[in-house]
Order: sequence, then structure tokens, then C-alpha cells
Amino acid sequence: DAGITQSPRHKVTETGTPVTLRCHQTENHRYMYWYRQDPGHGLRLIHYSYGVKDTDKGEVSDGYSVSRSKTEDFLLTLESATSSQTSVYFCAISDRTSYSNEQYFGPGTRLTVT
Amino acid sequence: TQLLEQSPQFLSIQEGENLTVYCNSSSVFSSLQWYRQEPGEGPVLLVTVVTGGEVKKLKRLTFQFGDARKDSSLHITAAQPGDTGLYLCAYIPTQGGSEKLVFGKGTKLTVNP
Repeated sequence: DAGITQSPRHKVTETGTPVTLRCHQTENHRYMYWYRQDPGHGLRLIHYSYGVKDTDKGEVSDGYSVSRSKTEDFLLTLESATSSQTSVYFCAISDRTSYSNEQYFGPGTRLTVT
Repeated sequence: TQLLEQSPQFLSIQEGENLTVYCNSSSVFSSLQWYRQEPGEGPVLLVTVVTGGEVKKLKRLTFQFGDARKDSSLHITAAQPGDTGLYLCAYIPTQGGSEKLVFGKGTKLTVNP
């Protein structure tokens, strides 16, 4: 299994508070991704990174920001959490040695915004 | 972005039965991936299919890529409770570079003992 950890694994927060989720990898993969998974919507890409300090938006990026200051860490920040951001968040990594972009996922963070 | 449809959405079967789930699109895929997600965990890559007509086997799981590369199927023989999970297919969209994957909504499989 790819070495990917996410922290925290569970979090409950109040509307309007800032929240930061962390993804840490030990595989030295260049690409890192943040997804959210919701019933009826499947996995949707929030942001991704293609290198240190290099990031781009995904399908559902509004209300989220990311940062990557080191190869191994990719942070997802909700500046002011809303109830619509209650979800399970997954981080994924890819080395892109295969053109098919096979991804390896972390265990997820369950976030509840009350 | 191609529309990716997975069917059925839910499937509940008894241990020992065979089943097939499908991933379809109206457009051609350059490649297609299948993942399995167990409850409370992240998705795990099972296989990537690339060539039209390709068949890949992973123990009791058989993956097929349609000749026209617009569809794929996953067949499980003699299902076991350990096969329970969400089966997702994913493809690389033709626009926007190959950094991203687009996932279907999945088939939720329950195998009852």
C-alpha cells in the first residue's frame, strides 16, 4: 500500500470556523489530489498539485484553498466552513509514470460542519 | 466532460452468486480504471484497461474493455462477503490534460453470507 496518511480522521466543527486537513505521503510522488465524496455525487476533485507550490482547481473548488510547501504534504483549507462542506475528504497521490494516471488514496477524513 | 454511467447503482446478492457491473459512456475512453472502496476506507485501484477488447483477470474478478472503448464491465465469480464494497470506474478526460481522473458514482455491492 502507498504510504498516505490523512489527519485528522474525524472532525466536527461549527459553521464559520476555519478548518485545515492534512495529507502526508512517504512515496515522493509528484501529484497530489483532494477529493470529496458525497452520496449521489461520487468522488469529485477539489484541487490538485503537480509539484511544490504548483496547484490547480478541480471541479468543486469554491470555498477551498490548498497549499503544498513540501513534496510530502498537501493541505486543504476551508476558510469559513459551511454545512454544505460536510463530507468525507480523500487525498490521493500519483507518480504519473503510467500515462493512465493511476491514483492511490488515503483513508479519508470525515468532516461534519454543524 | 464525458458522462460516465455505472449500473446497477446498488446490488445485493448471496455468497456464491455471480454478478456483473457496468461502466458506460457515449464517448471513447483512452483508458479506464476500476477501483474498489470498502466501507470506511479510501478507494483501491484494481485494474487499468487500455486496449479495446482487452480482458484482465484478478483472481475471481474479470474486467473487460469494450471493443469500441466506450464501455467496460466487471464480472465477479462466486462472490464472497469480502467482495462487499463500492466499485468505481474512472477515466482521464480528453480535455484539460491527463492530470485528472473523473469518477463514476459507483455500484454499491453487498454480498450476504
